[in-house]
Amino acid sequence: RKEVEQDPGPFNVPEGATVAFNCTYSNSASQSFFWYRQDCRKEPKLLMSVYSSGNEDGRFTAQLNRASQYISLLIRDSKLSDSATYLCVVTRDNYGQNFVFGPGTRLSVLP
Amino acid sequence: DVKVTQSSRYLVKRTGEKVFLECVQDMDHENMFWYRQDPGLGLRLIYFSYDVKMKEKGDIPEGYSVSREKKERFSLILESASTNQTSMYLCASSWTETQYFGPGTRLLVL
Repeated sequence: RKEVEQDPGPFNVPEGATVAFNCTYSNSASQSFFWYRQDCRKEPKLLMSVYSSGNEDGRFTAQLNRASQYISLLIRDSKLSDSATYLCVVTRDNYGQNFVFGPGTRLSVLP
Repeated sequence: DVKVTQSSRYLVKRTGEKVFLECVQDMDHENMFWYRQDPGLGLRLIYFSYDVKMKEKGDIPEGYSVSREKKERFSLILESASTNQTSMYLCASSWTETQYFGPGTRLLVL
């Protein structure tokens, strides 16, 4: 089993749709959790960190369920500019500097 | 703004050549990382360094070595390039838990 698994995708949604991405991780020692965004042929960039209490940044909401080892990302009112690959990232240990990336889920927002 | 630069965007090498990939960051970050990214496999950690002259193996260190003589520079070395090392190589740096990536080097080994 992979350490971090994500929805295989791709997701093709119309503008304005709400889309949810799921991620599971296998290492119960993981302490920190993130969503990164990677545009086509570009480097990954941090989208948001994920906290146990859940957090929101504009149209983006991230949730963490430690008991189920599950992370989610919800995008509301999708824009064309949201088209990208979304990477789920967890830290492997208590030191927080050994990152494990999921394979990514590609999103295409269609006009 | 944090800037992470990589020495080349595209590189073509022959099997058996020694290859150097350079990464420089300008934010005095302690931690630096080398990943490779392949379709369907995502980013996989090759090596990371949390201080000058310190290095730790990642998940796939075989066939690679690294050098960190100065804080701002982290080099990845392919001792004898092989075709299965054709990939996108991404360097990153961090101080807290946020990683900042360079633009990547697409390496083709013939």
